[in-house]
Amino acid sequence: GNSVTQMEGPVTLSEEAFLTINCTYTATGYPSLFWYVQYPGEGLQLLLKATKADDKGSNKGFEATYRKETTSFHLEKGSVQVSDSAVYFCALRSSSNTGKLIFGQGTTLQVKP
Amino acid sequence: DAGVTQSPTHLIKTRGQQVTLRCSPKSGHDTVSWYQQALGQGPQFIFQYYEEEERQRGNFPDRFSGHQFPNYSSELNVNALLLGDSALYLCASSLTGGAPRANYGYTFGSGTRLTVV
Repeated sequence: GNSVTQMEGPVTLSEEAFLTINCTYTATGYPSLFWYVQYPGEGLQLLLKATKADDKGSNKGFEATYRKETTSFHLEKGSVQVSDSAVYFCALRSSSNTGKLIFGQGTTLQVKP
Repeated sequence: DAGVTQSPTHLIKTRGQQVTLRCSPKSGHDTVSWYQQALGQGPQFIFQYYEEEERQRGNFPDRFSGHQFPNYSSELNVNALLLGDSALYLCASSLTGGAPRANYGYTFGSGTRLTVV
């Protein structure tokens, strides 16, 4: 079945460091891919998305490219801030499914000043 | 513009009891999905409602049931609570119009934290 695997956390970085959070997926067809962020005590917020191969999603300095050949959607940011500290979830929605999002287990990012 | 509103924010129940969680979708949205997020895990899809009917269901037992009202708001009911039902329950709304492959964005609420003791 469809699944998403994320790198285990926590990831601890100093402010202004480069961030990569790895995400790989298993799915048939051409799923849509998402990154969500969850701040403490809050729900999920959509960070970025990509709906077809080679698409690059970007928002607030974060980027991720839909790589069909490696079934990956790694999240990157060139210079993290303390305010980026949160839990990041990679998710997919299959091409044959209208509603169900399948999430990875989440990666906690802690940015220190 | 109000986003997704969930109530209550926190709830403590005893094993064997029943619970009802509520969700008001974002204005203009017609579809509501429910997710269960156990501590330290990613959310898991419970079910989705459109036009007052359950359109999709995840791998959850029949103890989990739901309802959608004509104003698009929704309830999640869990019967015979188990300790393992302790989790954050998230509601997500979207606008699909029933289109089979609609790709509209989801808006999540802040969730209801359910603790079963």
